[in-house]
Amino acid sequence: QLQLQESGPGLVKPSETLSLTCTVSGGSITNSDHFWGWIRQPPGKGLECIGSLYYSGSTYYNPSLKSRVVLSLDTSQDQFSLKLNSVTAADTAVYFCARITWNGLDVWGQGTTVTVSS
Amino acid sequence: EIVMTQSPDTLSVSPGERATLSCRASQSVSSNLAWYQQKPGQAPRLLIYDASTRATGIPARFSGSGSGTEFTLTISSLQSEDFGVYSCQQYNNWPLFTFGPGTKVDI
Repeated sequence: QLQLQESGPGLVKPSETLSLTCTVSGGSITNSDHFWGWIRQPPGKGLECIGSLYYSGSTYYNPSLKSRVVLSLDTSQDQFSLKLNSVTAADTAVYFCARITWNGLDVWGQGTTVTVSS
Repeated sequence: EIVMTQSPDTLSVSPGERATLSCRASQSVSSNLAWYQQKPGQAPRLLIYDASTRATGIPARFSGSGSGTEFTLTISSLQSEDFGVYSCQQYNNWPLFTFGPGTKVDI
């Protein structure tokens, strides 16, 4: 059964870069039927799409975050990653990775909390 | 950007009752709409896609309807395990998407 697991620092200082990795197990990141994505949820707020990527390396970013985000993947490790630079307190959130199908986001990681604070 | 709104913010329902949740898009998303359930401390779970198709393993008491800009999620007979926040998501500009702010269902 496909599983996703986020990993990375839980605390990041303002103006620095947030880096997270999502490890895919029980399946391959090179499956051509799916995209892979990052979603975040600030405390007490709704879900926000950060961006998505395809096994070929194609990336799609939320316009509101595009200038600060880079998504990448490592097919040899079945992992994909998020880098968000110049973070502020507004970037404090639970960050989820998920599999994106034509019919929605059907498999999610458990989420990881990232706090931006000095 | 397509903006999603949901109503009500909170819905208090007794077990066995019917719950009706609404979602509206700022412009037409055709039937490219999904519903998710999220419980505290958990990731969202896909309930409905293509506006009205239940995802794998989702009980028949969950149903979705609508197209264009107006959508509804109905829980026909609420069970105690159905508490949580329900969010709609449009994927008309797939693979990017936007979510609504959520409706909290209190049992």
